[in-house]
Order: sequence, then structure tokens, then C-alpha cells
Amino acid sequence: KAGVTQTPRYLIKTRGQQVTLSCSPISGHRSVSWYQQTPGQGLQFLFEYFSETQRNKGNFPGRFSGRQFSNSRSEMNVSTLELGDSALYLCASSSSLGAGKTEAFFGQGTRLTVV
Amino acid sequence: GENVEQHPSTLSVQEGDSAVIKCTYSDSASNYFPWYKQELGKGPQLIIDIRSNVGEKKDQRIAVTLNKTAKHFSLHITETQPEDSAVYFCAASTNTGKLIFGQGTTLQVKP
Repeated sequence: KAGVTQTPRYLIKTRGQQVTLSCSPISGHRSVSWYQQTPGQGLQFLFEYFSETQRNKGNFPGRFSGRQFSNSRSEMNVSTLELGDSALYLCASSSSLGAGKTEAFFGQGTRLTVV
Repeated sequence: GENVEQHPSTLSVQEGDSAVIKCTYSDSASNYFPWYKQELGKGPQLIIDIRSNVGEKKDQRIAVTLNKTAKHFSLHITETQPEDSAVYFCAASTNTGKLIFGQGTTLQVKP
């Protein structure tokens, strides 16, 4: 069974640009969550999607958005990039809604560098 | 607000010794406590988890204990091996998909 796949693995963008990251969850998993990992702030929750609906949202500005497709694949978008958005963006998939109900498995992440 | 404190931030042990990492959570509604291991260049890997209706869980050399009254949970690794060297994260969650992570512990196992 394939794990969580995130693409691309690495990205370099310029301040002010926008970026889209992609996540394919484990086959059969319907919940996808996104996290930002930085050395200073650690792992922080961005949002969770289940059945194409955002179910939960973290404390990030509106520049961070996401969506989920009918096949459970998810994308997150960051607009008007800032230097502080440089981070490892991680996607986690679960078989049902809520990490409290089932295990969450992470992908390898997308390393975003904003210059 | 929701918070998870993790200690120590770094831990160095000799191969064969035990390692203990401790976490404290603030949200009394938390009912799920996973532990993740993250190696360089990789995403976090789930190594063990515990739910609030259980006090202890063991999987080979790894065990986790939970004290709901004190809002503490701990990871215990016995007979450590060099391949156990990594960053370990504790997390807490209620019934949502939101995992609140500790700041991480860098474990170094010296051969």
C-alpha cells in the first residue's frame, strides 16, 4: 500500500508569488490535514479536509488556503508569499475524520523556500 | 489555549541504555496521544500512540504511559540502538484532526 505522497519535494519561490502544494493520501483515507514545520515554531496545524469540506482550521492568515477533491487528494495554496513562509509543509492522512479517532500518517513533506 | 510541553529538548544516551521523554498537555479534553519519530529529510513517522482510556501501552522496546489526572504522558525506549537517533515529537488531540505537537526531543544514541 502506497504511503502519503507529496509533490513537489522542493520549491523555491520569490516573495509575493503564490504556490500550490499537492498531497495524495493513503488509498482509502478520506481525511487530509496540513501542517507547517519550522525550526522556531515547530509543527503547527493548518487545516483538515474530509469529504471535500474543510472541517478544522488553525491560526494562519487567509493567505493559506486549501481544498480537497472527490478522490481525497488535497492541495494547499499560499498566496503573496513572505520570507517567513519558508518551511516544511507536511500532509497527513487518516481513514476517518479527526486524529483522535484514527492514526494520522505523514508524507515526506514539501520544502518551500521563499527568497 | 491548547499547548503541549515536551522535555528534554535534547537527550544523549549510550547504546543499550533507556531513554525517557516527557510531555504535558493543557487541554483536558485531549483523548489521543501519538508519538512520532522524524529522521533527517523525512516526514514524522508514527511509532506508538495511546488513548485516554488506557494507562500504558507497549510495543517491543517502546512504551508509552499516560497520567490523565496530571495531564502527563511519556515515551520510554529501552535497549536503545544507534538507529533510534532522531527527533521525537509527542502530540495531543481531541476528536478533531488537529494534533498539537510538543517542540521535539533530539535523541542521540552513542555507539
